[in-house]
Amino acid sequence: RKEVEQDPGPFNVPEGATVAFNCTYSNSASQSFFWYRQDCRKEPKLLMSVYSSGNEDGRFTAQLNRASQYISLLIRDSKLSDSATYLCVLQGGGNKLTFGTGTQLKVEL
Amino acid sequence: EPEVTQTPSHQVTQMGQEVILRCVPISNHLYFYWYRQILGQKVEFLVSFYNNEISEKSEIFDDQFSVERPDGSNFTLKIRSTKLEDSAMYFCASSTDRSTGELFFGEGSRLTVL
Repeated sequence: RKEVEQDPGPFNVPEGATVAFNCTYSNSASQSFFWYRQDCRKEPKLLMSVYSSGNEDGRFTAQLNRASQYISLLIRDSKLSDSATYLCVLQGGGNKLTFGTGTQLKVEL
Repeated sequence: EPEVTQTPSHQVTQMGQEVILRCVPISNHLYFYWYRQILGQKVEFLVSFYNNEISEKSEIFDDQFSVERPDGSNFTLKIRSTKLEDSAMYFCASSTDRSTGELFFGEGSRLTVL
């Protein structure tokens, strides 16, 4: 089983739609979880951390289910500028980040 | 806004040649990293560096790779004898502390080995 698994997509959605991405991970010892965003041929940028209680940042909501080893990201009211690849990222005991391959989102008019 | 800067943005080299990629991390950050991303694949950890020594490295980071902080600002990645499979985008990153998952990445250096 891969360390971090994501549906590569692409998810093609109209502007204003709500879209959800999921991620599963295999290492139950993973301690911290994040969603990063990567635009085409650009560097990854932190979108948000993911907490067990769930957390929201504007149109973005992240959830973590440690028992199922599952993380999700919900984007409401999608904008054209949300088009990017969304990377599920884990951190273990050290400071190394483990990245998923990403889910590509395309928001269309 | 402070940022991580990397040079060169693109380097083409012949197999077997030495390459040095340079990075200037954000000035008050203490932890430095190199990651790489082969085209179409995931971002992979190479090495982390703190207090002038390697704190963690991956299996990819073999004897052909080395890192150095030669002065107070630059952080370099050297590949001693490049192979075709070293072709990738190399990202430098920095962070304020060890436990944070918020890494600030540079725009990357694209290495093409012919």
